[in-house]
Amino acid sequence: AQSVSQHNHHVILSEAASLELGCNYSYGGTVNLFWYVQYPGQHLQLLLKYFSGDPLVKGIKGFEAEFIKSKFSFNLRKPSVQWSDTAEYFCAVERSARQLTFGSGTQLTVLP
Amino acid sequence: SAVISQKPSRDICQRGTSLTIQCQVDSQVTMMFWYRQQPGQSLTLIATANQGSEATYESGFVIDKFPISRPNLTFSTLTVSNMSPEDSSIYLCSAEGGSYGYTFGSGTRLTVV
Repeated sequence: AQSVSQHNHHVILSEAASLELGCNYSYGGTVNLFWYVQYPGQHLQLLLKYFSGDPLVKGIKGFEAEFIKSKFSFNLRKPSVQWSDTAEYFCAVERSARQLTFGSGTQLTVLP
Repeated sequence: SAVISQKPSRDICQRGTSLTIQCQVDSQVTMMFWYRQQPGQSLTLIATANQGSEATYESGFVIDKFPISRPNLTFSTLTVSNMSPEDSSIYLCSAEGGSYGYTFGSGTRLTVV
């Protein structure tokens, strides 16, 4: 079945550690890719997106993601996390007809 | 990007009753979407709502259970009908944001008792 996979369900890091969250999808053809973040008690916010062009995209708050087409991956990275990055992170893939499919989410906990 | 106001933010309802969730967008948008996020799970698309036409439902969701209205380009409602405890979830609306992507409401946390 076509899907979006986030293999890390819960990640715990200390402040200043580097972060990489995996996202793989199984759709063929052209896709648009997103990372959303949901801070505790808040709504989903867009971190970054990839539509076309440079496969390395930079988002807000120092996050970046790299689209590797051959691996069907769109991993999220941040070189040095902060306590305020504690949140749930969702990868999402948009196929044709504006259908947005979400991964299962990764809960990131950053220890001060 | 558009800003969405969603209400209620939470509700506790008796089984067998219905709840209508409202979403107001601060700008005109062509497409709005309704999602369900069950406890411990990801977001699942319920339906897509275009103004002036019937909503398009995803597999596993039906209009009798989740009727949707889209009376204009800034507003939509989702009704959860004849509720059971299995309907306890967070329900979110979303609007297409063009090159920005998608914007989401703050969600409605529904508990059915």
